[in-house]
Amino acid sequence: DQQVKQNSPSLSVQEGRISILNCDYTNSMFDYFLWYKKYPAEGPTFLISISSIKDKNEDGRFTVFLNKSAKHLSLHIVPSQPGDSAVYFCAASAQGGSEKLVFGKGTKLTVNP
Amino acid sequence: GAVVSQHPSRVICKSGTSVKIECRSLDFQATTMFWYRQFPKKSLMLMATSNEGSKATYEQGVEKDKFLINHASLTLSTLTVTSAHPEDSSFYICSARRLVEDYGYTFGSGTRLTVV
Repeated sequence: DQQVKQNSPSLSVQEGRISILNCDYTNSMFDYFLWYKKYPAEGPTFLISISSIKDKNEDGRFTVFLNKSAKHLSLHIVPSQPGDSAVYFCAASAQGGSEKLVFGKGTKLTVNP
Repeated sequence: GAVVSQHPSRVICKSGTSVKIECRSLDFQATTMFWYRQFPKKSLMLMATSNEGSKATYEQGVEKDKFLINHASLTLSTLTVTSAHPEDSSFYICSARRLVEDYGYTFGSGTRLTVV
């Protein structure tokens, strides 16, 4: 049973436009959510996180939105740049982030020049 | 599809003993598997890359004699924490690279290791 789902395996956008990556979760105990970015041949690197007490967190071009009632979160990248092309993983954790991370399968983002 | 099973999910061991963690790709073949150590809240450290039939590639600062990795088949990689100490207590997560069209990655369910 997949507790964290990223239903779009891939996404392609034009440079300068907005990229929206989606993630759904099923476990109501999750209260801390993270996005990781992964380039080929490298490990995932932390991008941005959000606690369940918030519905939005912003860091530069990256914004994460959390809809607890829908058990849905999304990552917005504005404006998208070719260097953003990577695989993005959504992860969730319980106990304020102190429990183990549960990952989605990832979405491959391609930003076209 | 593309399921990675990690076992055990939780383990408690005494200081000085060894613990083996298994990572299995259940419905696909994985020539490459990765082992990560999770630190509080966000930090995910890549420990090593495990390649089927060859020696693992360890990241800088990771002791290969302490964290033994074996990738004996296309569906199984193991991480053995030898002579465990309390500071080794952590979550350990594996991921497997899928040899299918998307060449994506699937993560295991993680193992919580507590060394007492």
